[in-house]
Amino acid sequence: QSVLTQPPSVSAAPGQKVTISCSGSISNIGSHYVSWYQQVPGTAPKLLIYDNYKRPSGIPDRFSASKSGASATLGITGLQTGDEADYFCGTWDRGLSAGVFGGGTKLTVL
Amino acid sequence: QVQLQESGPGLVEPSGTLSLTCAVSGDSISRANWWIWVRQPPGKGPEWIGEVSPGGTTNYNPSLEGRVTISVAKSSNQFSLRLTSVTAADTAAYYCARQLPSCSNGLCGVDPWGQGTLVTVSS
Repeated sequence: QSVLTQPPSVSAAPGQKVTISCSGSISNIGSHYVSWYQQVPGTAPKLLIYDNYKRPSGIPDRFSASKSGASATLGITGLQTGDEADYFCGTWDRGLSAGVFGGGTKLTVL
Repeated sequence: QVQLQESGPGLVEPSGTLSLTCAVSGDSISRANWWIWVRQPPGKGPEWIGEVSPGGTTNYNPSLEGRVTISVAKSSNQFSLRLTSVTAADTAAYYCARQLPSCSNGLCGVDPWGQGTLVTVSS
C-alpha cells in the first residue's frame, strides 16, 4: 500500500480537462516538494512536474500542478489520445527519511 | 544529454543476491547531488529503493534496510545496487535515475530515468 494515495483511474473525452489528486500527510506532501510523472506501459517514467508546479523544458503548458496542505493535484487540459498513460506523484517523507510515490492513476481518453 | 543504462542479470534465484549497475553517460556523475534506484513490481506503483551521492553518502528505504547497498564508482561514472536474500516479492522492473541537480535533498524531481531492467526472482 502506497504512502501517497491516488485514484486508480480517471477518464475524460478528447479536448476536455482532467485532474488527478495525490493525498498524503504533513510528513510528506505537507513538508516537501512534489513531483509528477507520466508512464506509458512498458516504458520508463517521464518527469512532468518538479518543485510542486514547475515544468521541465519540453513539457507543454497543458500540464499544470498545485499543492495545498497535504494534497497535490495534477491538471491536464486539451486532452489528447496520446495522453493515455499512468500518472504518479512523488515526494519525500521525513518520518521515513525516504522517497515515496503514489500508486499511480490510469488516464483513459475516451 | 545525460543518459542512464542499467545492466545485470534478469533472473536471480531465491535467497540469492540481485546486483545491478547503472552507467551514466553525457555528464559527470559528480554533477548531481543524488543518484537513485527505483523499482516497480508488475502492475504496481513505483517504490523508492535508495540513493547515493557522488561522495558515497547513502539513504535507503527502511523497508529494505539491512538487505540493500548502493555504491558509486566515480572513476567509471557508474553506480550500483546490491540486494541480498531476495524472494519472489523482489521481482520488479528496476530503474536507475538522477535527482535533478537543482535539488539538494528530498525528491523534488527525478530525471532522467534509465530504460529499466526486469529482474525475476525464481528458481
